[in-house]
Amino acid sequence: ENVLTQSPATLSLFPGESATLSCRASQSVRSYLAWYQQKPGRAPRLLIYDASYRATGIPARFSGSGSGTDFTLTITSLEPEDSGVYYCQQRSDSLAFGGGTKVEI
Amino acid sequence: EVQLVESGGGLVYPGGSLRLSCVGTGFTFSSFNMNWIRQTPGKGLEWVSMINSGNYIYYADSVKGRFTISRDNAKNSVYLQMSSLRDEDTGVYYCVRDSSGYNLFDQWGQGTLVTVSS
Repeated sequence: ENVLTQSPATLSLFPGESATLSCRASQSVRSYLAWYQQKPGRAPRLLIYDASYRATGIPARFSGSGSGTDFTLTITSLEPEDSGVYYCQQRSDSLAFGGGTKVEI
Repeated sequence: EVQLVESGGGLVYPGGSLRLSCVGTGFTFSSFNMNWIRQTPGKGLEWVSMINSGNYIYYADSVKGRFTISRDNAKNSVYLQMSSLRDEDTGVYYCVRDSSGYNLFDQWGQGTLVTVSS
């Protein structure tokens, strides 16, 4: 089973700052890594797919990088609306979700 | 605009049954693989089941033999029949579209809450 570990568990930042979220896979997922944003009471929303491609309608402030086992989601110029929980998901070896990083702005 | 709307959640006793429904609009429903993904207090986001455009079906080990997925393309609908429900099945169940044919989830419904409790 390919386990995804996200860090940190919680990130508290101010508007205008940048956030760096990490997702580490126990085995290589090549570039088949996606990121989702979930706001309280809402469904997850696809942000990034295949490590670095923004989904439709996602602002350029969101960017993804990495391959193999180590991936990063970077959010620049943070806005209050960016608060929520961010999940990574791999689809290389079956599929699995990480445990999430809570971002507080 | 793509929309997925779930219904059918509720409170059920352990061992009981429930049927979830999801209607999809704004896209060619029959062309897409459709999934149920749940979010539980114990395991977070967990994929439950998928039915592809050719009606091939897959289940997570945790629900195999207890849950049944089906679809009716004429009604743009996908269903999840859940039986022998357990406490650990409690959570929000999302109907989710796979955009790629290989587990890339681009559209999610609002979710329906299933509570298994005595």
